[in-house]
Amino acid sequence: KQEVTQIPAALSVPEGENLVLNCSFTDSAIYNLQWFRQDPGKGLTSLLLIQSSQREQTSGRLNASLDKSSGRSTLYIAASQPGDSATYLCAVRNDYKLSFGAGTTVTVRA
Amino acid sequence: GAVVSQHPSRVICKSGTSVKIECRSLDFQATTMFWYRQFPKQSLMLMATSNEGSKATYEQGVEKDKFLINHASLTLSTLTVTSAHPEDSSFYICSARGQGGGYTFGSGTRLTVV
Repeated sequence: KQEVTQIPAALSVPEGENLVLNCSFTDSAIYNLQWFRQDPGKGLTSLLLIQSSQREQTSGRLNASLDKSSGRSTLYIAASQPGDSATYLCAVRNDYKLSFGAGTTVTVRA
Repeated sequence: GAVVSQHPSRVICKSGTSVKIECRSLDFQATTMFWYRQFPKQSLMLMATSNEGSKATYEQGVEKDKFLINHASLTLSTLTVTSAHPEDSSFYICSARGQGGGYTFGSGTRLTVV
């Protein structure tokens, strides 16, 4: 059974600081890994999708890396802003199912 | 990009009644949709996989007679919580797999059973 762990569970930083969010998974036989953002009481917004053959994906201030063999992914958010405050979830796909981590709740202080 | 619409966003119902939640793929066809449940400050737990034109596949521990899933078309899946009780109060989210292998999620439904 795939288990996904996200560390830290919560993070508070001053505006402008770079964010580093970690995700680890136990079964490396994945199709892809996806990072999502969730605002309180809302659904999930996809941020980045990394296929199993890829090492990283970038979108604006966001960069996600994937090391499938070691079962790790890292989401980097450069120059954080108060609007980046949210919970970030990583999800790995095995077969057709997604397994989620518990998320990292980020607070960016103005 | 792919959009999944979920309604209602919030619903309050009396104990013993049934509630239907709709999940629509707006600009793509989804032969498979997924239903998740999320408890406060916890991650998403897959409840069932909804397959167009066939029976849903439920995860272990999920009561299929309580959580009825219908996927009658390529763009619509519904989840009906039957005879709801306060312990069914939760946040329910649907998703669909789009082209490229990524998943798109609905905006979620906050169910409160009183």
